[in-house]
Amino acid sequence: GAGVSQSPSNKVTEKGKDVELRCDPISGHTALYWYRQSLGQGLEFLIYFQGNSAPDKSGLPSDRFSAERTGGSVSTLTIQRTQQEDSAVYLCASRSGTSTEKLFFGSGTQLSVL
Amino acid sequence: AQSVAQPEDQVNVAEGNPLTVKCTYSVSGNPYLFWYVQYPNRGLQFLLKYITGDNLVKGSYGFEAEFNKSQTSFHLKKPSALVSDSALYFCAVRDGRGSTLGRLYFGRGTQLTVWP
Repeated sequence: GAGVSQSPSNKVTEKGKDVELRCDPISGHTALYWYRQSLGQGLEFLIYFQGNSAPDKSGLPSDRFSAERTGGSVSTLTIQRTQQEDSAVYLCASRSGTSTEKLFFGSGTQLSVL
Repeated sequence: AQSVAQPEDQVNVAEGNPLTVKCTYSVSGNPYLFWYVQYPNRGLQFLLKYITGDNLVKGSYGFEAEFNKSQTSFHLKKPSALVSDSALYFCAVRDGRGSTLGRLYFGRGTQLTVWP
């Protein structure tokens, strides 16, 4: 596609439920990032995929959070047993490779945990 | 450890006046520095970057930023602000020592408001 696509754009869920957030990066981009944007908190790094290398999971806040990237393209961020503090905008970004530093961001998924 | 500080949550400036959005950083190796902008209801967009070379970097929409190694700063500037520049601005840094260190650290953002 022309840009990074994220779905759903909005997700409302009940506390304790699991959610899956999807990211379709720009075709051919080898690097993929997930960030979380909370009001007044800036962008919090969650996880980074680069090609076939082991992902950098150092930003995942708890073991309830996990992410995978299938076939080097689409990525899914899963949050299990959601809590109210998980409410935020989840942003995905992709980059064409290590030769360029420019990230292309999706519009994000607004997650609301009731 | 890498980190970015944007000391001002908000910056207000009149249209036509120069603007500055401040950023300081901390990184172990050589810094790769970036500015991104987020317009209302839109995703973040890349503005400019500093990797090496000239300390004054020019980017999109007439913005520029100056890398100051001694002050570990990378302030964003524009000579004449427009109302349409009103947005949320993020500074970001990563350690340039290795290609595997792809993690970008972002600041908390600075809300720029330009009034007519």
